[in-house]
Amino acid sequence: DSGVTQTPKHLITATGQRVTLRCSPRSGDLSVYWYQQSLDQGLQFLIQYYNGEERAKGNILERFSAQQFPDLHSELNLSSLELGDSALYFCASSVEGQVDSPLHFGNGTRLTVT
Amino acid sequence: QKEVEQDPGPLSVPEGAIVSLNCTYSNSAFQYFMWYRQYSRKGPELLMYTYSSGNKEDGRFTAQVDKSSKYISLFIRDSQPSDSATYLCATLNDYKLSFGAGTTVTVRA
Repeated sequence: DSGVTQTPKHLITATGQRVTLRCSPRSGDLSVYWYQQSLDQGLQFLIQYYNGEERAKGNILERFSAQQFPDLHSELNLSSLELGDSALYFCASSVEGQVDSPLHFGNGTRLTVT
Repeated sequence: QKEVEQDPGPLSVPEGAIVSLNCTYSNSAFQYFMWYRQYSRKGPELLMYTYSSGNKEDGRFTAQVDKSSKYISLFIRDSQPSDSATYLCATLNDYKLSFGAGTTVTVRA
């Protein structure tokens, strides 16, 4: 068990809808990362937060947004959903977000857009 | 060009065989290299972590980095059915972890 908790495990919704994915990092970890995993694109980095502040941005669509709260949990909001957004969304956390701090992944949220 | 290229396989080997996995990366400035293992329906877990060139050994696992050719390798000795998983190489640069596509490995009992 990595200590990173993601909810919900599964989510089925319709095109055009909005969903929120939640992540609780490991105890003591200040940095949270979001990744998207699909069959054709593999694991793609979306965004990173460190102690409440956005630290780095990857291939995150404008329809997607995230935030990290004072208690360090994070939420990823996906809006105007399209069929192509169906994927596994992973959250990861690390101690300080420095370059040599390994990431610990949760078990993901499987999003299905119908 | 992708930052990390990895042959997705799949790879099937008999129990006890040596598993050899490889990746290439594009940016010679990358210094940190990792291998993650991902079981079905689970998140990736860190397996090995190396800095710069050279070898690192941990039990049955050996990670190699050749910076001159921008090549990353993972070897699994005496492979077991429990090693059946998807293995992802990754490079860490400026807080961003870039993953290869992952190679699915099946070890047959």
